[in-house]
Amino acid sequence: GENVEQHPSTLSVQEGDSAVIKCTYSDSASNYFPWYKQELGKGPQLIIDIRSNVGEKKDQRIAVTLNKTAKHFSLHITETQPEDSAVYFCAASIAPGGGADGLTFGKGTHLIIQP
Amino acid sequence: DAGVIQSPRHEVTEMGQEVTLRCKPISGHNSLFWYRQTMMRGLELLIYFNNNVPIDDSGMPEDRFSAKMPNASFSTLKIQPSEPRDSAVYFCASRAGGTYTGELFFGEGSRLTVL
Repeated sequence: GENVEQHPSTLSVQEGDSAVIKCTYSDSASNYFPWYKQELGKGPQLIIDIRSNVGEKKDQRIAVTLNKTAKHFSLHITETQPEDSAVYFCAASIAPGGGADGLTFGKGTHLIIQP
Repeated sequence: DAGVIQSPRHEVTEMGQEVTLRCKPISGHNSLFWYRQTMMRGLELLIYFNNNVPIDDSGMPEDRFSAKMPNASFSTLKIQPSEPRDSAVYFCASRAGGTYTGELFFGEGSRLTVL
């Protein structure tokens, strides 16, 4: 089955700086890569996703890039703000909707924004 | 819509007791997922249902775990007998069907502690 590795496990950046979280996946058939944000005491929430026919996608301060050849994808957050502090999960699946296997998640990155 | 509703939010029980976790998906969503979250293993898919039918239960750790979805608006995850290693946060998520929609909507989770 799919295996998703996520790095780093913890990331501390100064407010206003950029943050980058990286993930690799094992199954070359995977074609859907969402990112979820989990705030303390809450369930994960989708913030952005990308499909394999696209190399980059942006939504205001967040962007995701995908390199299918190398089987890795990254989340970029610019101009970080205190409310960006949370745990971020990458995920991969073969079908756009998660398919028969659902989503395989990375272990998560705890992003800390220092004031 | 109120979102995915899970109960109880917190459960503390003793080893050997039966635990039942409940989930009400978003109305109109036809896929339902149960995930378990621990520090060591991250978010693991336990089982998922499509139109109330279990599709993939390969993530259920052992026979002590069972899940049901008697109708489109209710699902349960039962652990009998419970063990300390079952301590985790259990999330329910739902997803709309159709030609494509990838977003999983998570509940706020049920934190289980088995003493």
